[in-house]
Amino acid sequence: SYVLTQPPSVSVAPGKTARITCGGNNIGSKSVHWYQQKPGQAPVLVIYYDSDRPSGIPERFSGSNSGNTATLTISRVEAGDEADYYCQVWDSSSDPGVFGTGTKVTVL
Amino acid sequence: QVQLQESGPGLVKPSETLSLTCTVSGGSISSYYWSWIRQPPGKGLEWIGYIYYSGSTNYNPSLKSRVTISVDTSKNQFSLKLSSVTAADTAVYYCARGKYYYDSSGYPSYYMDVWGKGTTVTVSS
Repeated sequence: SYVLTQPPSVSVAPGKTARITCGGNNIGSKSVHWYQQKPGQAPVLVIYYDSDRPSGIPERFSGSNSGNTATLTISRVEAGDEADYYCQVWDSSSDPGVFGTGTKVTVL
Repeated sequence: QVQLQESGPGLVKPSETLSLTCTVSGGSISSYYWSWIRQPPGKGLEWIGYIYYSGSTNYNPSLKSRVTISVDTSKNQFSLKLSSVTAADTAVYYCARGKYYYDSSGYPSYYMDVWGKGTTVTVSS
């Protein structure tokens, strides 16, 4: 099965930049999607197709994907960005809808 | 805009079948894929499966033997059945709209752009 590994937690000061990684074997050959989940709420799509933003998502959210690592970058972090973040890929050969382990972002 | 709402029993007995329905409002169920995802308490997300409005399905291999997803286009609804449940199936269950496409390399991909609020299902006697 395809495994996506994320750091359990990332801490960042307001106004700084948070980078959340998602590691997987040759993940650069796949499209990566990112979801934000605040406590008690449903996930929200923040990045799809590696780096595209859905309407309504601030430009502060960006994504990249190469080699064995995909990265979600949150610039000028705000208190409202505090949430769990999950990466997701589609691996039709084994586990179709694979989610990463999730990263809790804490704003200091 | 499209909204999704899950409904169904919040408590299911072990060995019985969990049944949930997702009602789509503000848009048509046609021409899209529709997924179920779950999240056990304090844990991460697990994709259960999807159904295309035409009825074709794709399931998580780890759940495939117990899962059935169906669609009723006349009611703008799709449903999940999970049989022989155990305590390990206790979770928040989400329904979501999905988009399936082929990337620039011709590789298939799928993501979920609209989610329901989720419904908690507890498996207990």
